Amino acid sequence: GAGVSQSPSNKVTEKGKDVELRCDPISGHTALYWYRQSLGQGLEFLIYFQGNSAPDKSGLPSDRFSAERTGGSVSTLTIQRTQQEDSAVYLCASSLSRGTDTQYFGPGTRLTVL
Amino acid sequence: QKEVEQNSGPLSVPEGAIASLNCTYSDRGSQSFFWYRQYSGKSPELIMFIYSNGDKEDGRFTAQLNKASQYVSLLIRDSQPSDSATYLCAVSNDYKLSFGAGTTVTVRA
Repeated sequence: GAGVSQSPSNKVTEKGKDVELRCDPISGHTALYWYRQSLGQGLEFLIYFQGNSAPDKSGLPSDRFSAERTGGSVSTLTIQRTQQEDSAVYLCASSLSRGTDTQYFGPGTRLTVL
Repeated sequence: QKEVEQNSGPLSVPEGAIASLNCTYSDRGSQSFFWYRQYSGKSPELIMFIYSNGDKEDGRFTAQLNKASQYVSLLIRDSQPSDSATYLCAVSNDYKLSFGAGTTVTVRA
């Protein structure tokens, strides 16, 4: 079946602009995660959604970052007033449920802030 | 101390040899352990997961877990050029994955 999809695949923006990144998880997966991978660094957890529960936002680096998940499916990660240090690959993953279930990653969105 | 540490690379092995990758973690409450492979410019792809102490084999890959030593490893037997990639160790005690920085493996023909 279809895997995790993300859009856009690439986004170039100017410093100070807002951007929205979209993630469509695998059908039937109730858990959704956002990670960030900066050049030369490992994957960094950002936020986790599970069903209708309150999301775990503990990994968001600043209040410029927010995310929502509508209808328990599609998620949007929004970065306001982008900074150059926000340049990274933003990866979305989904899993069947929470806990130890395997997370499957989407292709990512490469964000470049000029 | 980082939560998850991997042996520094890059690791270069000849085709047909065994590649050995190591990972240690700091959280004793960790329950799930994963190895992901990431080709350059691509997203991570799951290779193996292991939950219990001991070995788990899948084709040419073997994952080994020792919770007492807080150590997990991945062996790649009969390495192929297509195995050339960065291998990420990931650890979780619930849902949040903590990743190591990765070990880059190059299999030379």
